[in-house]
Amino acid sequence: EAQVTQNPRYLITVTGKKLTVTCSQNMNHEYMSWYRQDPGLGLRQIYYSMNVEVTDKGDVPEGYKVSRKEKRNFPLILESPSPNQTSLYFCASRAGTGGTGELFFGEGSRLTVL
Amino acid sequence: QKEVEQDPGPLSVPEGAIVSLNCTYSNSAFQYFMWYRQYSRKGPELLMYTYSSGNKEDGRFTAQVDKSSKYISLFIRDSQPSDSATYLCAMKKDTGRRALTFGSGTRLQVQP
Repeated sequence: EAQVTQNPRYLITVTGKKLTVTCSQNMNHEYMSWYRQDPGLGLRQIYYSMNVEVTDKGDVPEGYKVSRKEKRNFPLILESPSPNQTSLYFCASRAGTGGTGELFFGEGSRLTVL
Repeated sequence: QKEVEQDPGPLSVPEGAIVSLNCTYSNSAFQYFMWYRQYSRKGPELLMYTYSSGNKEDGRFTAQVDKSSKYISLFIRDSQPSDSATYLCAMKKDTGRRALTFGSGTRLQVQP
C-alpha cells in the first residue's frame, strides 16, 4: 500500500529536549515536505526537499532542521523545542520535482512541548 | 491579511443536502487550485484539482474557479455522513518550488 508513515503519532516533551519525528514514504517520490497545522492558520510549510541531499526552507523554518540522506526518509529535527512548536505536524511527498502533482500526506504527529 | 481566506465553520447540513464550500484569495497570480479533504486524526487527501478558471466535476463533487472574483468553490451534491470532514482549499502560482498556500479549512458535518 502506498503510504507516508510518520512516527511518533503523539509526543509530549519538555522545553529544550531534542526530538526527531521520522517520515518515510514507499512511493519512490522525489519531493518531500514538512508542514505544521495550527488552528486558524492552516497548513504552513516548514522545510522541503526536491531530492536526496537537496533541502530548502519553507515559510516557517525557524527552530527546525531536516536531512535527506535517503530518498524514502525525511526526518524533522527539533534541536531545542519550545512551547510555540506545539502543533500538529504532517509529512508529505509528491512524485517528480514539478510543483502541481498530488501531495500525499502522512497521518500526522501531534507534538506538545511543555 | 491572509492570502487565502476560508470560513472555519462548522457547517452542519442534513444528509442529501447540496453543500457549498468557498475560499477567497487576494493574489491574482494563483493559477492552480485544489481541494483537500481531511478526516479527523488523518492527513489531508487530494479531492479535486483545477487549473485556471472554470468548472470540474467528479461524481458528486464539482470544483469551480472564478479568477475574476478571486473566489473558488467546492460543491457536494447528495451529501452523505461520510462527507463529514474538514475541507481545505489550496492554491499555487506556478509549477515551481514554492509551496501550496492552504486555507485554514472548513469543518463540515452531515447529519444522518
